[in-house]
Amino acid sequence: GAVVSQHPSWVICKSGTSVKIECRSLDFQATTMFWYRQFPKQSLMLMATSNEGSKATYEQGVEKDKFLINHASLTLSTLTVTSAHPEDSSFYICSAREGWTDYTFGSGTRLTVV
Amino acid sequence: AQKVTQAQTEISVVEKEDVTLDCVYETRDTTYYLFWYKQPPSGELVFLIRRNSFDEQNEISGRYSWNFQKSTSSFNFTITASQVVDSAVYFCALSEAVYKLSFGAGTTVTVRA
Repeated sequence: GAVVSQHPSWVICKSGTSVKIECRSLDFQATTMFWYRQFPKQSLMLMATSNEGSKATYEQGVEKDKFLINHASLTLSTLTVTSAHPEDSSFYICSAREGWTDYTFGSGTRLTVV
Repeated sequence: AQKVTQAQTEISVVEKEDVTLDCVYETRDTTYYLFWYKQPPSGELVFLIRRNSFDEQNEISGRYSWNFQKSTSSFNFTITASQVVDSAVYFCALSEAVYKLSFGAGTTVTVRA
């Protein structure tokens, strides 16, 4: 089946630094990739949708200058959390879509900002 | 407005009991897709099922079964003879014409030995 690799699995960073999370579709070309954020005991909230070669579309309330998304190829999307603060600590999950309704999720990245 | 409602926040059962998770959705689209995912403590999302709006047939896969009723906009999920390994958070999700997934709040299932 389709596999999406997400790295790193966890990261601890200092407040004010930037962190990059990679999402890679290993055996298929993803027409669209999605980035979600999940706080403890809460649901997944969509942050942004990205298509290869074009700017990401951010959901309302998500700061595009803080959460930089780059979708450089059909198999790779990156999320950079810039100037991270403790309130950015969360579980970030990417999803890659092949076709219209085949969503495959990465294993997630647990970000802790200290 | 919430598109997917999972009214049950937590369910706790003893092993071998059946568990039914409710999911009610809201959409104006005639074509849409419904999903169930399992999220164990490790965090990854495990795909369980996808159902399109034109297929109301119920489905059974091992100990899992799903009941899709368009008349009540519900897509309920039953685990028969639950096991400890079924302990997880279960999410119902909806994909409409814009093809983005909208997740419900999730139901935490705890199966006690």
